[in-house]
Amino acid sequence: KAGVTQTPRYLIKTRGQQVTLSCSPISGHRSVSWYQQTPGQGLQFLFEYFSETQRNKGNFPGRFSGRQFSNSRSEMNVSTLELGDSALYLCASSPETGGFNEQFFGPGTRLTVL
Amino acid sequence: AQKITQTQPGMFVQEKEAVTLDCTYDTSDPSYGLFWYKQPSSGEMIFLIYQGSYDQQNATEGRYSLNFQKARKSANLVISASQLGDSAMYFCAMREESMTTDSWGKLQFGAGTQVVVTP
Repeated sequence: KAGVTQTPRYLIKTRGQQVTLSCSPISGHRSVSWYQQTPGQGLQFLFEYFSETQRNKGNFPGRFSGRQFSNSRSEMNVSTLELGDSALYLCASSPETGGFNEQFFGPGTRLTVL
Repeated sequence: AQKITQTQPGMFVQEKEAVTLDCTYDTSDPSYGLFWYKQPSSGEMIFLIYQGSYDQQNATEGRYSLNFQKARKSANLVISASQLGDSAMYFCAMREESMTTDSWGKLQFGAGTQVVVTP
């Protein structure tokens, strides 16, 4: 079974631009969560999607948004990029919520904002 | 407020020795899960072990075991017989599982412990 894939792996953007990151979960998984990892703030939860619905959102500004498609693939978008958005963005998929459900992580997208 | 605390920023351990990584947590949710992940320099988060709040026995997975002390809100990871490939950042995480809207799909992570295994 293929693991969680994220594209692109590396991205360089300039301030003010927007960016879209993609995450393909493990086949059959319907929950996708996104995390931002920075040296200063550590790992922070962005949002979670389940069956095309955003069910949970972390404390991030509205510039961070996401969506999930009917095949469970998810995208996150960051508009009007700031230097502080430079980070490793990780997505994780899970088969379903309730009980023990391990979150399987992808390799991440490393975003650099210049 | 910080819900997961890892007090050891970094540790050196000799190959073949055991190492204990500390993790304390804070929650009022009676149902929760505790996770440990390993993150090599490549960046990918690798699941190691899970402990549910209602589990009676400490979890074990190969060379990994979790020392769960519920009353002390402690979930320390023990790695036995360390190997050079164990060098990585280790994260403790918690998911509150009462399934309120604030908990769906959300892992809360500690700051991590950098482990370096020396020959």
